[in-house]
Amino acid sequence: DTVMTQSPDSLAVSLGERATINCKSSQSVLYSKNYLAWYQQKPGQPPKLLIYWASTRESGVPDRFSGSGSGTDFTLTISSLQAEDVAVYYCQQYYSVPRTFGQGTRVEIK
Amino acid sequence: QVQLVQSGAEVKEPGASVKVSCKTSGYTFTNSAVHWVRQAPGQRPEWMGWINNGNGDTNYSQKFQGRVRITRDTSASTAYMDLNSLRSEDTAVYFCARPTPEGSGWYDCYDYWGQGTLVTVSS
Repeated sequence: DTVMTQSPDSLAVSLGERATINCKSSQSVLYSKNYLAWYQQKPGQPPKLLIYWASTRESGVPDRFSGSGSGTDFTLTISSLQAEDVAVYYCQQYYSVPRTFGQGTRVEIK
Repeated sequence: QVQLVQSGAEVKEPGASVKVSCKTSGYTFTNSAVHWVRQAPGQRPEWMGWINNGNGDTNYSQKFQGRVRITRDTSASTAYMDLNSLRSEDTAVYFCARPTPEGSGWYDCYDYWGQGTLVTVSS
């Protein structure tokens, strides 16, 4: 199985400041495209798709969310943290079966 | 609009089986697939398997092989997930999810999810 490891496990950022979350896969998820997605999950809700193909923003997602990286190392950046961004964020690879998720990164307001 | 609506919470004893339904609407069911993902309290989501709604082909995570069965009813645009031989570690919220469409196919990240079904396994 492809193991997805995120860092940090949690971070506290001031409103308006940048938040950066890292995701590392145990094997490359690149095959012409990077098969890597990012989700946001709030309590009691299913995950919400933010980014796919590592850097393509899902329709309706604010442009303060961006994704980057290739191969095995990826980053989700929230350029200017808003109160509504408090959540747990997960990366997911869809390159190989079983599809696997990172352990999550909790983002809070400092 | 696209919707996936799941059946209600279940409480089961160890050794029992559970069947969760996922009724879809707002898109052509047979041109897509349904994946099942579960999430234990405080844990990461865990992929269980999927069904091609068009031809009924399935693929399961090796972890659940032999215990899980995913089916669909095309006339009702509904997918089902059966999990048997339940144990306490199966206590989780179970989600159905739609893989994101692209052209005539899809790719397996999930743009729409059901609301989740809490399955509690306890004696």
